[in-house]
Order: sequence, then C-alpha cells, then structure tokens
Amino acid sequence: GENVEQHPSTLSVQEGDSAVIKCTYSDSASNYFPWYKQELGKGPQLIIDIRSNVGEKKDQRIAVTLNKTAKHFSLHITETQPEDSAVYFCAASYPNAGNMLTFGGGTRLMVKP
Amino acid sequence: DAGITQSPRHKVTETGTPVTLRCHQTENHRYMYWYRQDPGHGLRLIHYSYGVKDTDKGEVSDGYSVSRSKTEDFLLTLESATSSQTSVYFCAISVGYEQYFGPGTRLTVT
Repeated sequence: GENVEQHPSTLSVQEGDSAVIKCTYSDSASNYFPWYKQELGKGPQLIIDIRSNVGEKKDQRIAVTLNKTAKHFSLHITETQPEDSAVYFCAASYPNAGNMLTFGGGTRLMVKP
Repeated sequence: DAGITQSPRHKVTETGTPVTLRCHQTENHRYMYWYRQDPGHGLRLIHYSYGVKDTDKGEVSDGYSVSRSKTEDFLLTLESATSSQTSVYFCAISVGYEQYFGPGTRLTVT
C-alpha cells in the first residue's frame, strides 16, 4: 500500500518568513495530494490540493508543488502570520474504489510574532 | 464543516465495555470514513462506506465494526474497548477526490 512520509515534524519560523513542509510518497500510481491544516481541538481542514497532471498550484499565500519523478510534494506558505500556527498534514491517494487517503505524520508549525 | 456532526464529542469508558460513536451528515454524500488520530501517526483509516449497508476495511480495522443503515449516519462500534483504542476519532465525507472532516470525538479507555 501507499506510504507517506512528512518532514519536518516541527517547524518554527518568524512572522513574515516563509515555511516549507515536504512529503514523499511510495506508490507511483498516486494521483491526488491534499494538504490539511488542523487547529487545536478541531478537525483537519482542507487548504489546498493538487492532482498529478499539474506541477504547481497557488492560492494566495499558500502553494503546493509536485515532482512526480521524485515522488515528492511540498507545501509553501509565504509571509507567515501567527494564525498560520497549526499542525499540517499531507496525504496521497491512488486510484481506488474508496477514494482512500494515506496521511503523513504531521508538521507542527509555530509562527513567532 | 461540510454538515458533519459527531457524537459524543468526548467519552471516557472502561476496558471491556462496548462503545458506539456516531457520525451524521446532512448532504447525502455517498462516501463516509472513520479515522483515528494518534500522535506521530497522522490519521489512519479504520473503515469506510460507499453506500447504505456497503462498507469496507481500512488500514487499522481490527477491533472495530461499522454500520450504515441510512445515508446520513455512519456508526463506529468498539465491541470491547481496550486502552490501545484511546484516541481521537474523526469522521469524514468525500466530494469527488476531496475529503472533509467532522470535529472529532475524543475517546479515553481506562
């Protein structure tokens, strides 16, 4: 089955700096890669996703890049703000009947004001 | 929140007792999922459903059963709770590729 690894597990940045979180996946058939943000005591919230036919996708201050050859994808947050502090999860899905996702272990991002 | 509610939101139970968690959705989505979240493991799929009475196992299904008798409700049952099942449980629905999560249930087995 699919295996997703996520790094780093914790990341501390200064407000206004950029943050990058990286994930690798094992199954070359995977074709959908979402990113979730989870605030304390809440469920994960989908913030951006990318499909395998696209190399990059942006939404305001966040962007995701995908390298299918190397089987890795990354989340980029620019001009970080304190409200970006949360745990971020990457995931991957390969074509399957249940649209099942395999998640990385998570990154705790702390933005210091 | 994609119209997903979970109940109860918190529960403490004793080892060996049965526990049922409920997920309710209001938008008639076909696919529903149960995940557990533990430190360092991200979210792991327990079971999922692709329609009324249609369910299948996920990565960590041992010790859990599910039922879906109505489109809007997906139940997760721990037949005999163990301490290793202490976790936060999330329900999700999918819209195409995208999955949306409920607020979670924190379960403690003592």
